[in-house]
Amino acid sequence: GQQLNQSPQSMFIQEGEDVSMNCTSSSIFNTWLWYKQDPGEGPVLLIALYKAGELTSNGRLTAQFGITRKDSFLNISASIPSDVGIYFCAGQILTGGGNKLTFGTGTQLKVEL
Amino acid sequence: DTGVSQDPRHKITKRGQNVTFRCDPISEHNRLYWYRQTLGQGPEFLTYFQNEAQLEKSRLLSDRFSAERPKGSFSTLEIQRTEQGDSAMYLCASSPPTTANTGELFFGEGSRLTVL
Repeated sequence: GQQLNQSPQSMFIQEGEDVSMNCTSSSIFNTWLWYKQDPGEGPVLLIALYKAGELTSNGRLTAQFGITRKDSFLNISASIPSDVGIYFCAGQILTGGGNKLTFGTGTQLKVEL
Repeated sequence: DTGVSQDPRHKITKRGQNVTFRCDPISEHNRLYWYRQTLGQGPEFLTYFQNEAQLEKSRLLSDRFSAERPKGSFSTLEIQRTEQGDSAMYLCASSPPTTANTGELFFGEGSRLTVL
């Protein structure tokens, strides 16, 4: 099945650094979302974007919905150890029902103390 | 804990055997989803239910796969004649009527299948 392209594939950063990751698609989406998955857990929603050009923050997280509706980025400021995990972008096309999502390939974040 | 519950968490089986996974969604969530996640990849949509009705199935869901939600509460995903390529994490998620099209899904911890 289709997967969105995320970059970088993995990041190893120092605690306190800012992090930036992005996601691109060949298809247009109506909604862009960012989920985080910890080892042995299911993904958890971090932030959702519903309008092209929208910039949304949630604590230390900031995400933007690209103007073309084919991309999104996620920034994490002042990273802390609990930010470790895999971050997935996801796109949704509103087809009249359901939260059917297309996920990205993931960005694995590792934080060095 | 009132989150999405999946059982079993781990299943090891031999090729050709049948396996069944169960998912109990958050109560009052009318929509239930199954996704498959292979190592190093993001989840891929398999199917979803609104109450007891199965409204959409992915092309990934071959004839060997069947999902049910008979009373609109828990759901089962059965894989018949398992193949090594079926090895993956099977994730269940649910969503309430109030977030029907927001993209917000509440995932369980998944059922990891290993086919030898």
